[in-house]
Amino acid sequence: DQQVKQNSPSLSVQEGRISILNCDYTNSMFDYFLWYKKYPAEGPTFLISISSIKDKNEDGRFTVFLNKSAKHLSLHIVPSQPGDSAVYFCAASSNSGGSNYKLTFGKGTLLTVNP
Amino acid sequence: DSGVTQTPKHLITATGQRVTLRCSPRSGDLSVYWYQQSLDQGLQFLIQYYNGEERAKGNILERFSAQQFPDLHSELNLSSLELGDSALYFCASSTQGRNYGYTFGSGTRLTVV
Repeated sequence: DQQVKQNSPSLSVQEGRISILNCDYTNSMFDYFLWYKKYPAEGPTFLISISSIKDKNEDGRFTVFLNKSAKHLSLHIVPSQPGDSAVYFCAASSNSGGSNYKLTFGKGTLLTVNP
Repeated sequence: DSGVTQTPKHLITATGQRVTLRCSPRSGDLSVYWYQQSLDQGLQFLIQYYNGEERAKGNILERFSAQQFPDLHSELNLSSLELGDSALYFCASSTQGRNYGYTFGSGTRLTVV
């Protein structure tokens, strides 16, 4: 049972335009969400996160939006740059307290930004 | 360099064999997580250790086992290997609290032939 779903395996956008990556989740206990970026031959790196008490979090060119009622979040990248080309993973966790929490990941979306 | 070190980077072995993957967490991190990434699959959670104790178990096969040592490094042991075990295996570590998620190592690519 895939609790975190990224239904688009790939996305291609032009440099300078907006990239929108989507993620849906099914577990209503999830209350913290993260996006990771992964380049080939490297491990995933943390990009941005959002708590369920918020509906938006912004960090430079990256903004994450959370729609709790729809169990949907999205990552917006504006403007997109060729260096943003990577696989983006959506992840979620529930509040199990302190040091004992695990992240559930989606399958990832390959973003290609064309010059 | 993320601060999480995984060795070896690549491993090629035959079916039926046993291998050990090693992970050194980032300095100060007490939790270690192991994930498997197979072709067309996301990151599948295998197991978590916190300060030497197993804390959570995911989709880890009985042929697989892990441990975390007093110096906090962790090892993932894979035995009776099958072709389907070929994957990227990532280790991640975290501090207490979840605001920053995990820090991942660069992974071990295991190829079973």
